Amino acid sequence: TQLLEQSPQFLSIQEGENLTVYCNSSSVFSSLQWYRQEPGEGPVLLVTVVTGGEVKKLKRLTFQFGDARKDSSLHITAAQPGDTGLYLCTWAGGGADGLTFGKGTHLIIQP
Amino acid sequence: DVKVTQSSRYLVKRTGEKVFLECVQDMDHENMFWYRQDPGLGLRLIYFSYDVKMKEKGDIPEGYSVSREKKERFSLILESASTNQTSMYLCASGDRDYGYTFGSGTRLTVV
Repeated sequence: TQLLEQSPQFLSIQEGENLTVYCNSSSVFSSLQWYRQEPGEGPVLLVTVVTGGEVKKLKRLTFQFGDARKDSSLHITAAQPGDTGLYLCTWAGGGADGLTFGKGTHLIIQP
Repeated sequence: DVKVTQSSRYLVKRTGEKVFLECVQDMDHENMFWYRQDPGLGLRLIYFSYDVKMKEKGDIPEGYSVSREKKERFSLILESASTNQTSMYLCASGDRDYGYTFGSGTRLTVV
């Protein structure tokens, strides 16, 4: 099972600030997905990144896949209270052992 | 939209009871998964299935079993519920290329 480390574990910032959260592994990902989970709900897929160095944008969210495909970052610009949630990354490629998730980053955006 | 429906949002059961958690998906996905989510431990894979009548153990299968008699339905069974199985249970379906859809979860309390 490929282990994923996410940092920081907790992050609380004011509305309007920028932030970056990280997902790292010692192994190479074939592809990686980011999910957001709101309290009391299941995770919802945000993006899949496949190519080393790839950058994808989803409104104020920017996802980057490291050149070596061993790490990824999620940058949020001008955070809003609606961005509050648990952000999870998962290795999504290869093998037959289902999805392996990092423990996530708990993000709170205060008005 | 893909829909994954879990039969109950909240469930309270007594120690020793046999508990069935049901999950139904409407997109003809071959892959289905059961996770439990606990504070500080993240999402942990219990069982998954790649086809009807097929099942594979995940990281923490002890105390659980599963059933996949039809493609759209994946059931998680707690043979004899114990208090340490109190948790949020999440079902998912999908594939690596297009992502996974989660249900809203079942919060199970065993007393």
